[in-house]
Amino acid sequence: DVKVTQSSRYLVKRTGEKVFLECVQDMDHENMFWYRQDPGLGLRLIYFSYDVKMKEKGDIPEGYSVSREKKERFSLILESASTNQTSMYLCASSLTDGTDTQYFGPGTRLTVL
Amino acid sequence: QKEVEQNSGPLSVPEGAIASLNCTYSDRGSQSFFWYRQYSGKSPELIMFIYSNGDKEDGRFTAQLNKASQYVSLLIRDSQPSDSATYLCAVNSGTSYGKLTFGQGTILTVHP
Repeated sequence: DVKVTQSSRYLVKRTGEKVFLECVQDMDHENMFWYRQDPGLGLRLIYFSYDVKMKEKGDIPEGYSVSREKKERFSLILESASTNQTSMYLCASSLTDGTDTQYFGPGTRLTVL
Repeated sequence: QKEVEQNSGPLSVPEGAIASLNCTYSDRGSQSFFWYRQYSGKSPELIMFIYSNGDKEDGRFTAQLNKASQYVSLLIRDSQPSDSATYLCAVNSGTSYGKLTFGQGTILTVHP
């Protein structure tokens, strides 16, 4: 079974703090994705990566950065957290096999006070 | 802007009935189509995917794809209260490193 794990299920941070969200997958997937999910707005892609050290902006990259130093690990960084970044953050991974099937981690519920 | 449209619901069906969930997409280049189930407060989990026109069955679930009409649906037979969740339709274009476009989701409630 594909296993995608995220570093925290719940996280509370203060405005202005630097926040790191980590995602690890154990299936040697090339592609990894960070989404945020908000009521009424659905899943929105923040960033994705198709290889180590490679990254592409998604639909809403502002206020975020990412790092992928190892194939299995994809980190999302909030440089200076703001209250409008309170959300559910979901990581996913997929294999480059033509199917594009994404498997999700459990999610991190981030609250910025 | 590539779009995936779903009726947000809520769709309410009695236990044992067939639930029918629908999705339309705008990108004619789309090649892979996915249905995910998401329970409240949890992450999406893959139910099934379909690539070819026609039906694909997996247990109580049947996905139906009609590329000419740009339409994909999910049928859930013998619906159970445990099927109550939000169902997300997702579509790819086969061009951008496995990116998927998700619909807003349909809330399904199965009442006893």
